[in-house]
Amino acid sequence: EDQVTQSPEALRLQEGESSSLNCSYTVSGLRGLFWYRQDPGKGPEFLFTLYSAGEEKEKERLKATLTKKESFLHITAPKPEDSATYLCAVQVGGATNKLIFGTGTLLAVQP
Amino acid sequence: NAGVTQTPKFQVLKTGQSMTLQCAQDMNHNSMYWYRQDPGMGLRLIYYSASEGTTDKGEVPNGYNVSRLNKREFSLRLESAAPSQTSVYFCASRRDFTGELFFGEGSRLTVL
Repeated sequence: EDQVTQSPEALRLQEGESSSLNCSYTVSGLRGLFWYRQDPGKGPEFLFTLYSAGEEKEKERLKATLTKKESFLHITAPKPEDSATYLCAVQVGGATNKLIFGTGTLLAVQP
Repeated sequence: NAGVTQTPKFQVLKTGQSMTLQCAQDMNHNSMYWYRQDPGMGLRLIYYSASEGTTDKGEVPNGYNVSRLNKREFSLRLESAAPSQTSVYFCASRRDFTGELFFGEGSRLTVL
């Protein structure tokens, strides 16, 4: 069964304290892995797409990496405005509209 | 930059009532989606439309119907609301070829 698991469920960091969020997946034929940010009361906002193992993408303090079994979202020197829920989603091969979402990691960055 | 617009933002229904959630996108995307988000469950696909004139069931379609009115608009209808349909509903459209989804701000539905 296709599955996406995110850990930890919640993470509290001090401003400037770097860390990583994990998204592990077991799917039949990965076509793409997506990271989204969701602020309270808002819809998810697209951050990155990764297509193949070894690929990396960066945006400001965020860096996403991909292996054959998992993806990491590294947050370097986070600021309070990075506080949000981070979602990952996997697009499964052979079904272009099948996107499986994880349950997210709630990140709180304290000043 | 409107992107994806959903209405209403909030709605309270009584069991058995019906309602329609409206969604419109201005990005000329072919594919549109309806998801529901529940605590601890992640986003689950209700219905999607790969192109104007086509709709398909997702993971949790029971109790819902959809209409792809034109390329811009994709509505979700609850014919006889049940308390289990209390949720936050998100409409999304998908950028062709690259696949990322663009979401609306959500519609928060409570069924009493």
